Amino acid sequence: EVQLVQSGAEVKKPGESLKISCQGSGYSFISYWIGWVRQKPGRGLEWMGIIYPGDSDTKYGPSFQGQVTISADKSTNTAYLQWASLEASDTAIYYCARRGVDSISSRASDFWGQGTQVTVSS
Amino acid sequence: SSVLTQDPAVSVTLGQRVRITCQGDSLRSFSATWYQKRPGQAPVLLVYGKNNRPSGIPDRFSGSSSGNTASLTISGAQAEDEADYYCNCRDSSYGLLEVFGGGTKLTVL
Repeated sequence: EVQLVQSGAEVKKPGESLKISCQGSGYSFISYWIGWVRQKPGRGLEWMGIIYPGDSDTKYGPSFQGQVTISADKSTNTAYLQWASLEASDTAIYYCARRGVDSISSRASDFWGQGTQVTVSS
Repeated sequence: SSVLTQDPAVSVTLGQRVRITCQGDSLRSFSATWYQKRPGQAPVLLVYGKNNRPSGIPDRFSGSSSGNTASLTISGAQAEDEADYYCNCRDSSYGLLEVFGGGTKLTVL
């Protein structure tokens, strides 16, 4: 059974750093892209970026380039999303998702983590 | 980057058909993917490619496309279909990237 299990909720202060995780199981972790999606309170889904754990090729959405770092550890089947210095505006739920469909014309994330709530407040 | 536009809210009477649309230039080149998002739950993949559904997704959900507009149709809406629906597509401006529409809140009356 394919599963993506994310780390637990975090409460941080502005300026602090943070690294959240997403551990995959039940499939070949290195063979599928893993993406990250943000949902701010009361807002829609935003695509942040994606990593291919096989070679750590990473792409970021324009709004997130330079704001976060996506990484992966093949030895533990885990992808990460990290911030060097959090802001209150980073308060959101963050989801990881496996890109199970990846063709020239179509992409789809077929399995999702349960989400990690990140709250940044002084 | 590309923009996908959705109506913020749509309503449907229980058992009736409803169409949720998504407009954007990227849709002329790439297929839309549709997700259902319920409060407190992770998104669920509904439809991708040329109207493909993952196993477990009821066949009342279907997708179609014409020009720069993609549509998700629910034939015979059920109470449990009340949720937010998001379209998603490859970003035509940035190869490997993706973009989401703003989402449509579906109310089942």
